[in-house]
Amino acid sequence: DSGVTQTPKHLITATGQRVTLRCSPRSGDLSVYWYQQSLDQGLQFLIQYYNGEERAKGNILERFSAQQFPDLHSELNLSSLELGDSALYFCASSPYGQSTDTQYFGPGTRLTVL
Amino acid sequence: AQSVAQPEDQVNVAEGNPLTVKCTYSVSGNPYLFWYVQYPNRGLQFLLKYITGDNLVKGSYGFEAEFNKSQTSFHLKKPSALVSDSALYFCAVRDQSYNTDKLIFGTGTRLQVFP
Repeated sequence: DSGVTQTPKHLITATGQRVTLRCSPRSGDLSVYWYQQSLDQGLQFLIQYYNGEERAKGNILERFSAQQFPDLHSELNLSSLELGDSALYFCASSPYGQSTDTQYFGPGTRLTVL
Repeated sequence: AQSVAQPEDQVNVAEGNPLTVKCTYSVSGNPYLFWYVQYPNRGLQFLLKYITGDNLVKGSYGFEAEFNKSQTSFHLKKPSALVSDSALYFCAVRDQSYNTDKLIFGTGTRLQVFP
């Protein structure tokens, strides 16, 4: 158990809908990362937050947004969902968001868009 | 841009035999390299990382990896494979280009250990 929690475990929804994925980092970690894992794209970095502020952006679609709250938990919002958004979404956390930190991953949320 | 390559989609090995999962990298600057393992329906678990120092890095569950600068490789090894080692293994490199700080993952190698 990495100490990173993600809810829900599974989400099934329809095209055009909006969902929110939640992540709680390990105790004491200030940085949160979101990744998407799909069969055709592999593991892709979406976005990073550090102590409430956005720090880095990757291949995140405009339909997707995220935030990190004062208690350091993070939410990833996915809107206008398309079939191709079906994937595993992972959250990871690290102590300081530095390049030498280890990122610890949560169990993921499996999103299915029908 | 930084990248890693895992040239084998699958590696098969008999239990008790040594195993190697290959990874090569391409980076500008100092490479920060990581190995993660993913069991079915689970998240990624950290195995080990190379930041600096000894070229042989020891990690969790008896795994180790050898950093080879001349061959730009960071192969994962274990002297004696267990059936329970069967999983998906990812090599990753830290990328701080274009004002980002993220892990870039390889495509993964499925390790199958046969009894």
